[in-house]
Amino acid sequence: AQSVAQPEDQVNVAEGNPLTVKCTYSVSGNPYLFWYVQYPNRGLQFLLKYITGDNLVKGSYGFEAEFNKSQTSFHLKKPSALVSDSALYFCAVRDDDYKLSFGAGTTVTVRA
Amino acid sequence: KAGVTQTPRYLIKTRGQQVTLSCSPISGHRSVSWYQQTPGQGLQFLFEYFSETQRNKGNFPGRFSGRQFSNSRSEMNVSTLELGDSALYLCASSLAGAGGSEQYFGPGTRLTVT
Repeated sequence: AQSVAQPEDQVNVAEGNPLTVKCTYSVSGNPYLFWYVQYPNRGLQFLLKYITGDNLVKGSYGFEAEFNKSQTSFHLKKPSALVSDSALYFCAVRDDDYKLSFGAGTTVTVRA
Repeated sequence: KAGVTQTPRYLIKTRGQQVTLSCSPISGHRSVSWYQQTPGQGLQFLFEYFSETQRNKGNFPGRFSGRQFSNSRSEMNVSTLELGDSALYLCASSLAGAGGSEQYFGPGTRLTVT
């Protein structure tokens, strides 16, 4: 069974509008959750993680994510998107085999 | 602090050949993980090494192997290359391991098999 799912292949928003990238997970035990971003022709960059504690996690570049245990979700959010946020975003979870399992990725396009 | 470096950045090989990719982690990081990224399959975990021991392995055939040296540098080898092995191979290092702490990725090695 897939450990993490990103239901949207693409998200398009206008600059200045809120940005949400969705992620749901399926693991037994307490989830370790991560968000990474990949800019064109570059490796992935860490944005934020949830291991325990506050359900709202703040990360790099103004991003935050909300952990929701009842909905098994970990959506990435940014209150006001920038054109420079256009990139490929990956959600990841430590799966039951202690490997990091990545979602398929969501391409975010922010139009000026 | 220097980031994760991978060499070479680009490779073109022929079916049946073998290839070795190299990864130098961030200083002090003992965990190195390898991933294959393709448009069709996305990011797939290959294996993780921690202090020279393979700690975890993904679902790839035995043609894919790796090792880690005492200075934490890692290599991965692919033997008997197939067209489907064309991909971006990413290396990542971390302090506590792939599933427990953030990973720092290198720029990748783009392998093309013809």
